[in-house]
Amino acid sequence: NAGVTQTPKFRVLKTGQSMTLLCAQDMNHEYMYWYRQDPGMGLRLIHYSVGEGTTAKGEVPDGYNVSRLKKQNFLLGLESAAPSQTSVYFCASSYSGLEQYFGPGTRLTVT
Amino acid sequence: SQKIEQNSEALNIQEGKTATLTCNYTNYSPAYLQWYRQDPGRGPVFLLLIRENEKEKRKERLKVTFDTTLKQSLFHITASQPADSATYLCALDKSSYKLIFGSGTRLLVRP
Repeated sequence: NAGVTQTPKFRVLKTGQSMTLLCAQDMNHEYMYWYRQDPGMGLRLIHYSVGEGTTAKGEVPDGYNVSRLKKQNFLLGLESAAPSQTSVYFCASSYSGLEQYFGPGTRLTVT
Repeated sequence: SQKIEQNSEALNIQEGKTATLTCNYTNYSPAYLQWYRQDPGRGPVFLLLIRENEKEKRKERLKVTFDTTLKQSLFHITASQPADSATYLCALDKSSYKLIFGSGTRLLVRP
């Protein structure tokens, strides 16, 4: 099992550009999450999904969109990147909604 | 609003000693509490989950306590090793399927 994988690992964007981060899990988990982690602020939930075809807003959803067309994939989109979106992004999945399994992260810099 | 506090200062201890990390929370009554380990440049890894009706839980050299009256959890690593050096995050269930994470405490174990 690969667990939770994220693509890409690193990315540099210019302000106003768009991009999509891909998360894939091979554990047949129903729940998937996108977090951002900034120094001193801990992990903050951006969006989450409780099953294929469903998405919901988390704590900091502005400027991001998500889609869960297939159970194993959860995509995070930035429509018009801003420097405030410079962060490390983590995807996680969960079988029961309790313990979460995290991917290795994507380090995004917006200049 | 709900708040989780973990000591932002690193805990520096000698190998073989017991490390004790603290997680305090306010304005909330979680059903369960979790602890994760995060190494630099990697995603968090789930360690332990303790429910509100459990006072203590153990896993190998790890022990977690949960005091719902004090609104506090203690995380202990006995016989600590340099390989235990990492950042440890506590997390509470915000609602169904969602977690709030603390910003973590860095543990350094000196050989």
